[in-house]
Amino acid sequence: EPEVTQTPSHQVTQMGQEVILRCVPISNHLYFYWYRQILGQKVEFLVSFYNNEISEKSEIFDDQFSVERPDGSNFTLKIRSTKLEDSAMYFCASSPGAGGTQYFGPGTRLLVL
Amino acid sequence: KNQVEQSPQSLIILEGKNCTLQCNYTVSPFSNLRWYKQDTGRGPVSLTIMTFSENTKSNGRYTATLDADTKQSSLHITASQLSDSASYICVVSALSGGSYIPTFGRGTSLIVHP
Repeated sequence: EPEVTQTPSHQVTQMGQEVILRCVPISNHLYFYWYRQILGQKVEFLVSFYNNEISEKSEIFDDQFSVERPDGSNFTLKIRSTKLEDSAMYFCASSPGAGGTQYFGPGTRLLVL
Repeated sequence: KNQVEQSPQSLIILEGKNCTLQCNYTVSPFSNLRWYKQDTGRGPVSLTIMTFSENTKSNGRYTATLDADTKQSSLHITASQLSDSASYICVVSALSGGSYIPTFGRGTSLIVHP
């Protein structure tokens, strides 16, 4: 069964550094998403992406965040200058249609020191 | 502000027993409601998805109900198994300008004891 994959599974970085989290959505899906979950808290929506552009973003998704689909398979989340409070689990998800079931990846655990 | 409230926060039951989890929401304009199962350290896995016109949706031992008038949903788990131990998350999406904006609940942590 096809699944969403994410790399790396864990990343440790210094405050102020840039990080890129990578995702490979399910191949025939058209909608892509990033979420984050701070330890012990609920999942929070960051951004949705369709047709090579952002379709919706939350208040969390400020100028330090960016997303890109650099080729036909990868979907990336870049955090330009990481802060301590960016430490969280970041989930990528994809869906075949706008309101369809979203399939989540296993997540990348980011720790900012 | 859109909100999703879940209860109870945590629940412990014996293997084989049934349980019901609750979700109340204030999300507008309502588009759909999903229940997810999230194992510790893993991504959420979709259990059910319901739109405004659907009252109930089943997926094996999981049955979700939706009352759009009272803005309440429940997830009923029948004949619980040890593998049901997880966090169950209610997610309600609003439709805004052609995009779906999800609001997540904090989840109910379910522990099934042998």
